[in-house]
Amino acid sequence: DAGITQSPRHKVTETGTPVTLRCHQTENHRYMYWYRQDPGHGLRLIHYSYGVKDTDKGEVSDGYSVSRSKTEDFLLTLESATSSQTSVYFCAISVRQGNTEAFFGQGTRLTVV
Amino acid sequence: QQQVKQSPQSLIVQKGGISIINCAYENTAFDYFPWYQQFPGKGPALLIAIRPDVSEKKEGRFTISFNKSAKQFSLHIMDSQPGDSATYFCAAGFQGAQKLVFGQGTRLTINP
Repeated sequence: DAGITQSPRHKVTETGTPVTLRCHQTENHRYMYWYRQDPGHGLRLIHYSYGVKDTDKGEVSDGYSVSRSKTEDFLLTLESATSSQTSVYFCAISVRQGNTEAFFGQGTRLTVV
Repeated sequence: QQQVKQSPQSLIVQKGGISIINCAYENTAFDYFPWYQQFPGKGPALLIAIRPDVSEKKEGRFTISFNKSAKQFSLHIMDSQPGDSATYFCAAGFQGAQKLVFGQGTRLTINP
C-alpha cells in the first residue's frame, strides 16, 4: 500500500454532521489525492494536493474540503454530510512528478444515514 | 473532454478463456493509459500501463492494445483464472496535470 493509512476504515454518521477522513503517508510524497468510488461511476477525483497547503479541486468537489498542513497528512472534510456522500473513499499518492501512476490506500467506507 | 468510457460493466468468462475490456477516451492530450485491478475490500492496484507511442504492451497474461486513431484501448487477459476475478478500471492521464481520469469499472468473474 505504499505506506498509506486511511482512518477510519468504516464510519456511520448522521445527515448534517461534519466528518473528517484522514490519509497518512510515511514516505513524504508530494502528490496526494482523494477519490470516491460509487457503482457505475468508477473512481472520481474529489480534491488533490501537490504540496503542503497547495490543493485543488477535482471533478466532484462540491460539499468537500481538504487540508494539508503536513506533507504526510491529507484530510478530507464533509462539512455537513448528506446521504449522497455515502460512498467508499480512497486516498492515493503519486510518487514523483511526471509519473501519474497512483498508489491507493485501503479505503474508508462512509455511510450517511 | 475528460471522460473515459469503459465497457462492459460486468463480464463472465470461463477459466482458460480470454477476457477483454474496452475503454474509449476523448481528450487527445492524454499520454498515459493505466489499468488498475481491485479486489473486494482493497484499494485499486496498478496492473499494467501504456503510453501512446506503442500499440501494444504485454506483461505475462495481460496485454494492453492501444489504437491512437480510434482513441481506444483495451485490456486482454489470456488464459483467464479464477484468481483474476476482480474489478478492473482503465484510466487516462497526462503528465502536465499529474492526475488520472478513471473509467466506470468492469466486474470480471472467471468461472472455474
